[in-house]
Amino acid sequence: EVQLLESGGGLIQPGGSLRLSCAASGFTFSSYAMSWVRQAPGKGLEWVSTISGSAGSVNHADSVRGRFTISRDNSKRTLYLQMNSLRTDDTAVYFCAKGSIYYASGSYEDSWGQGTLVTVSS
Amino acid sequence: EIVMTQSPATLSVSPGERATLSCRASQSLGSNLAWHQQKPGQAPRLLIYGASTRATDVPARFSGSGSGTEFTLTISSLQSEDFAVYYCQQYINWPRTFGQGTKVDI
Repeated sequence: EVQLLESGGGLIQPGGSLRLSCAASGFTFSSYAMSWVRQAPGKGLEWVSTISGSAGSVNHADSVRGRFTISRDNSKRTLYLQMNSLRTDDTAVYFCAKGSIYYASGSYEDSWGQGTLVTVSS
Repeated sequence: EIVMTQSPATLSVSPGERATLSCRASQSLGSNLAWHQQKPGQAPRLLIYGASTRATDVPARFSGSGSGTEFTLTISSLQSEDFAVYYCQQYINWPRTFGQGTKVDI
């Protein structure tokens, strides 16, 4: 059974930094792309970033490009999201999601974690 | 960016009834479309990929159809556990984009 467990969320001031982690189990982690998707309070889903199985291919949404960095450590079966220069509109639940294939291109999200809440407020 | 538009925003139905949800893309997706279900306070769950293929353990009452720019999710006979928000998502292009969601309620 695929399990994805996010951690690292919390309350942070505007301009601050935070690193989210997602511990994966139940599948061969290095064989699949992984993504972060967020959901602001009361809003819909917004794709944030995707990384290929080898980390050779990375894509970020325009809203976070230059501020957020997705990465992975396949030896630790862990996905990361480094978030810098946080803004109030980054407040959301951040979901980790497993991709359907190794490559980022053509991959869709087929399993989701429960999410971790990031609140950016002074 | 591909814009995904779902309709209606809210669909009020009774248990046992049929529900039809629509999703339109601003450019052709081929069959690169997924449907996700989200219940309150829960993570999303993949229902359909490739526009019409049910994900593992998804009941047969859920079916997807369409290609190109017009897609439909049909729930043939609504069960109480199906009341949720449904999102379509394209995965042919970057950035990945979701529709705004259709809430299915009583």
